[in-house]
Amino acid sequence: QSALTQPPSASGSPGQPVTISCTGTSSDVGGYIYVSWYQQFPGKAPKLLIYEVSKRSPGVPDRFSGSKSGNSASLTVSGLQAEDEATYYCSSYGGTNNLVFGGGTELTVL
Amino acid sequence: QVQLVESGGGVVQPGGSLRLSCAASGFTFSIFAMHWVRQAPGKGLEWVAVISHDGSNKYYADSVKGRFTISRDNSKNTLSLQVDSLRVEDTALYYCARDPSVRGLAEMDVWGKGTTVIVSS
Repeated sequence: QSALTQPPSASGSPGQPVTISCTGTSSDVGGYIYVSWYQQFPGKAPKLLIYEVSKRSPGVPDRFSGSKSGNSASLTVSGLQAEDEATYYCSSYGGTNNLVFGGGTELTVL
Repeated sequence: QVQLVESGGGVVQPGGSLRLSCAASGFTFSIFAMHWVRQAPGKGLEWVAVISHDGSNKYYADSVKGRFTISRDNSKNTLSLQVDSLRVEDTALYYCARDPSVRGLAEMDVWGKGTTVIVSS
């Protein structure tokens, strides 16, 4: 049950796009559509942004989008805003009745 | 409104036990799979366990298998996690979360605020 691999940090200027990657294996990310992304602010519970690779959770701004290619998934924030500064986690069905999370990416808006 | 409220955390010595609870309200609890997810201080999220909507299926992370037991009481809209043989590395904020997927092991759309477990001698 290895964790998915995310870059520890990412940054971008307001209005610019930023993409966060999430790399797994063919047994998890590459094998299923059950890839999700969560946003977490300090001291707060995570919030579901994206599920099933690219479906936005209700109320999530359309500047957030998800995609997958092979064993890697990506979260793109287009038109970055100051309020997007948070930590982002990916997760995937792990293939053996389990879920696995990525280590998290701290997004900084410059 | 849709809400999950965890309780039962505390400070316990290594080898000790606790029973965490999660009270659900504002939705039909009995039709959703439910998860426990934990977060060690300053660390990332770790999936702990899931239970199907009717309690018939339960799955655990390898790190807690054999020590933790997930259960639910649909008549009381309550999810529980019995945590035994606690280790220092089990110290974390424990969240309960709802899984809205048909699969019941996919994503989590409602989260509680968490309950803190500290394992220390």
